[in-house]
Parts: sequence; C-alpha cells; structure tokens
Amino acid sequence: NAGVTQTPKFQVLKTGQSMTLQCAQDMNHEYMSWYRQDPGMGLRLIHYSVGAGITDQGEVPNGYNVSRSTTEDFPLRLLSAAPSQTSVYFCASNDRGNTEAFFGQGTRLTVV
Amino acid sequence: GENVEQHPSTLSVQEGDSAVIKCTYSDSASNYFPWYKQELGKRPQLIIDIRSNVGEKKDQRIAVTLNKTAKHFSLHITETQPEDSAVYFCAAIISSGSARQLTFGSGTQLTVLP
Repeated sequence: NAGVTQTPKFQVLKTGQSMTLQCAQDMNHEYMSWYRQDPGMGLRLIHYSVGAGITDQGEVPNGYNVSRSTTEDFPLRLLSAAPSQTSVYFCASNDRGNTEAFFGQGTRLTVV
Repeated sequence: GENVEQHPSTLSVQEGDSAVIKCTYSDSASNYFPWYKQELGKRPQLIIDIRSNVGEKKDQRIAVTLNKTAKHFSLHITETQPEDSAVYFCAAIISSGSARQLTFGSGTQLTVLP
C-alpha cells in the first residue's frame, strides 16, 4: 500500500492563479481531510469528507473548494491564490472509528 | 467547536532528562486523544494515543496521561535522546453524528541537547 499520496510536493503560484492539490489514498478509508500548517499555528482543518459525495467545512475553508467523487480521491482547489495561502498543506485519511490518521507527505505552496 | 491548547511552544532538555508537554481541550464529548511527532520536513506520524476510558498509557519511553475531569492530557518522554527532537502535536477528536473532526494543538518544538 502506498498510503496517502499528495502531489505536487512543491508549487509556486502567482496571485490570482488557480490550481488543484491532489490527494489519493489506497486504504479504503472513509474519512479524508485537508489541513494547512503555518508556523506557530499547528495544523488547521480546511475541509473534510466522511465519504464519497459528502464534504464539509473546517476551521479555515475560505478560498478553497473540495469534492469527493470517489473514496480514494480528495482534491483541494484554490480558486484564486492569495499570498495568505502560502503554507504547507497536508491531506490525511482515517477509518470510521477512533483510529490513526495517516498523512500525505505535504505540499509546500508559495503564492507570490 | 473543540479547542485544543498546547504548552509549551518550545522545550529544550538535556539528553537523558524527561520532557513533558501538556494539552487542554474544551469539549467534554471528545473521546480520543492522539499525539503526533513531526520531524523536520516530514509528515506528522502517530506516536501514541489514549481513549477517554483510560487514564494512562505507556509505550517504552513514551507515556500519555488523561484527566477527563480537568480536560487535560499530557505526553511524557523519559530518557530523551537526540532523535526525539521534533515538533509534537496533541489532538482531540469530537464526534458529532457521522462527522469526525481532528482538532490539533499548536505544537511543541522539542530540542534534545547532547
């Protein structure tokens, strides 16, 4: 099993550009989430999904969209990139119960 | 929603000493408390977790304690080694119907000095 795979690892965007961060998991986990990590602020939840076709907002959803058309994939879309979205983004998945969350390797995004 | 506070934000200890990181949570419905370790440039990885029906759990040099009444839980690392240097995150899960949201603390940068 590959676990949770995120692409790309690094990305530089210009203000106003859009892009999609990809996340895929092969563990058949129901729950998937996107977090952003900023210095001194820990991991903040952007959006999450409890199953295919179901998504909901987390703590910091503004400027981001998600969809969950399959169990495996949970892409994160930046609609119009802003410098405030410069961050490291992590995708995670876990099973229904109180179990371990598995993280992808992260995407370091810089918006100039 | 749930709020998790973590202290201290930075911690330096001498190799061989113990390290303690403390977290508090706000929602009494939380029932699962994992701890993650993140080495520089790497992804967070689970190192230990505790459920609300247990007061303490130990795994070699790492232990976690939970006080449900006071809504706080702590990570204890004994006989620290340089490879313990990393950022540690506590987290809590609040369950609301079918939704599950993992709320993280702000992290503790642990440095073990040789």
